[in-house]
Amino acid sequence: EVLLTQSPGTLSLSPGERATLSCRASQTITTKFLAWYQQKPGQAPRLLIYDVSSRASGIPDRFSGSGSGTDFTLTINRLEPEDFAVYYCQVYGSSPQAFGQGTKLEIK
Amino acid sequence: QITLKESGPMVVKPTQTLTLTCTFSGFSLFTDSVGVGWIRQPPGKALEWLALVYWTDDKRYSPSLKSRLTIATYRSRNQVVLTLADVDPADTGTYYCVHTMTSAAVFDYWGQGALVTVSS
Repeated sequence: EVLLTQSPGTLSLSPGERATLSCRASQTITTKFLAWYQQKPGQAPRLLIYDVSSRASGIPDRFSGSGSGTDFTLTINRLEPEDFAVYYCQVYGSSPQAFGQGTKLEIK
Repeated sequence: QITLKESGPMVVKPTQTLTLTCTFSGFSLFTDSVGVGWIRQPPGKALEWLALVYWTDDKRYSPSLKSRLTIATYRSRNQVVLTLADVDPADTGTYYCVHTMTSAAVFDYWGQGALVTVSS
């Protein structure tokens, strides 16, 4: 079973800055099946990135995903006020699914 | 337009069985690669995948909860039902119904969630 560790737990940045969120897997992910979700308070999560680097429908191009093996990154360029939320990574493609514990992106 | 909506009790007593229904529209569980699953989130905590059923009726469960979980489909009614037996206060949280269009199961549509509290 793959465990995902996200860092940092909380990231404090200002609008306009770049955010770099990390997701580390406990074992090598040999497939491309790594996704990122955004969750705002009181809302369901929303799919941002799938297959490591593909943006979901309607997701702005300031969101990008990268990585391979055990280390994966979500980058958000030019932060907008609506980007401040909690972000989760997910490994899929085999049972069991796994989510990271989340990174909270807050306004500095 | 794909939508999913969870329904079920808001409060369940310890040791009882929780039954949640996901009613969906905009897709069919007869369609190749489609799946419907459940994910939960305790208050203030991370997401936890619970179960998933595919168009083939192949069912997958979280290993840690497998003995207590059952997922069932009622395709003609566009519904998927999740049961969780012998609930405990640790089962309190928001339960989400989710859709996937790939056998690899990335979740592209989510229901609004149903908050369930386990309390005597």
